[in-house]
Amino acid sequence: AQSVTQLGSHVSVSEGALVLLRCNYSSSVPPYLFWYVQYPNQGLQLLLKYTSAATLVKGINGFEAEFKKSETSFHLTKPSAHMSDAAEYFCAVSDREQAGTALIFGKGTTLSVSS
Amino acid sequence: KAGVTQTPRYLIKTRGQQVTLSCSPISGHRSVSWYQQTPGQGLQFLFEYFSETQRNKGNFPGRFSGRQFSNSRSEMNVSTLELGDSALYLCASSLGRAQGETQYFGPGTRLLVL
Repeated sequence: AQSVTQLGSHVSVSEGALVLLRCNYSSSVPPYLFWYVQYPNQGLQLLLKYTSAATLVKGINGFEAEFKKSETSFHLTKPSAHMSDAAEYFCAVSDREQAGTALIFGKGTTLSVSS
Repeated sequence: KAGVTQTPRYLIKTRGQQVTLSCSPISGHRSVSWYQQTPGQGLQFLFEYFSETQRNKGNFPGRFSGRQFSNSRSEMNVSTLELGDSALYLCASSLGRAQGETQYFGPGTRLLVL
């Protein structure tokens, strides 16, 4: 069964520092890959997704992610963190070999940004 | 364009009761998925409905059920509530035409079971 691993349940950075949130998937067939962000008491908002076009995907709010098949990874980065980036981030996959659009989520990474 | 709406936003029930949650998708979206979010288990897929038919189902007991209406609105029902059912229930909608589509999430219904 497909699974997603997010290394680090909590990441702390200073404002202006690089943000790196890690995500690895398990399947041998590259799935569709997504990064979502959740602010307190809100639903999930899509940051970006990989469906099989360019391996470097640019998203909203300055985030980007690189799909690396050899490493089965889809890490999320942002060059310079802002205070407003503090939130919980979820990596998710959708299995290409399964009907429907069900998402399998990682456990999430809470990003803290200090001034 | 209005986003995904969920009602109610907050709900308190007692063990043994049942509950129905509602989700209205974005206009034109025919797929509605439901997810349960808890601190311990994280985000877990419950089921997906497309054109009034359940297209996919996660690994949850039969107490969890859903349905979709002809206008794509969906309801989720949990019978015989248990303390462990306390969670944020999120609904997401998409066009439903192809895999890899973006799912748009609602704000969720927070259920507390006492």
